[in-house]
Amino acid sequence: AQSVTQLGSHVSVSEGALVLLRCNYSSSVPPYLFWYVQYPNQGLQLLLKYTSAATLVKGINDFEAEFKKSETSFHLTKPSAHMSDAAEYFCAVINLSGGYNKLIFGAGTRLAVHP
Amino acid sequence: DGGITQSPKYLFRKEGQNVTLSCEQNLNHDAMYWYRQDPGQGLRLIYYSQIVNDFQKGDIAEGYSVSREKKESFPLTVTSAQKNPTAFYLCASSPRLAGEVWDTQYFGPGTRLTVL
Repeated sequence: AQSVTQLGSHVSVSEGALVLLRCNYSSSVPPYLFWYVQYPNQGLQLLLKYTSAATLVKGINDFEAEFKKSETSFHLTKPSAHMSDAAEYFCAVINLSGGYNKLIFGAGTRLAVHP
Repeated sequence: DGGITQSPKYLFRKEGQNVTLSCEQNLNHDAMYWYRQDPGQGLRLIYYSQIVNDFQKGDIAEGYSVSREKKESFPLTVTSAQKNPTAFYLCASSPRLAGEVWDTQYFGPGTRLTVL
């Protein structure tokens, strides 16, 4: 069965610094991976998704993620953090067993951006 | 504007009462989902539906019930049998339940339920 692990429940960066949020997956088949962002008291918004077309995936708001099969990772990065990036970020993988495309979420990483 | 609406945004319930959370979508999606979110636990699937008048239990269905009488609506009832109902509830939809594996799930803004 597929699963994801997000390393670090809280990450804090300075405004303008690199953002790196870590996600490792476990899958016996080629995975399909997603990053979602959740602002306080709101629903989830898709940032980007990996569907095997390219290993480097670009998303909204200058976020990108690189799929590395050798490391079973799909880390999310952004070159320069903005205060508005403060939110919770979820990595998710599609679980293909059970007859439907089920999203399996990580526990989330809360990103704080300080001046 | 196409999207998913959930109401109410905040809901308070006394112990022993049933309460129904609304979810409506105008995206013409076949599949709809209900998730529960607790701090530090990510999202857990409660129920899902791939077509009108059909729905299936997810990972934590005990104490919850749903209906799917219309394509655009998928209300969730939190019953008194749910032992710890205080949580943030998110509704989502996608074009198909078992379509392309990269079909995106779109989320509503959520309902925060507090049991007093």
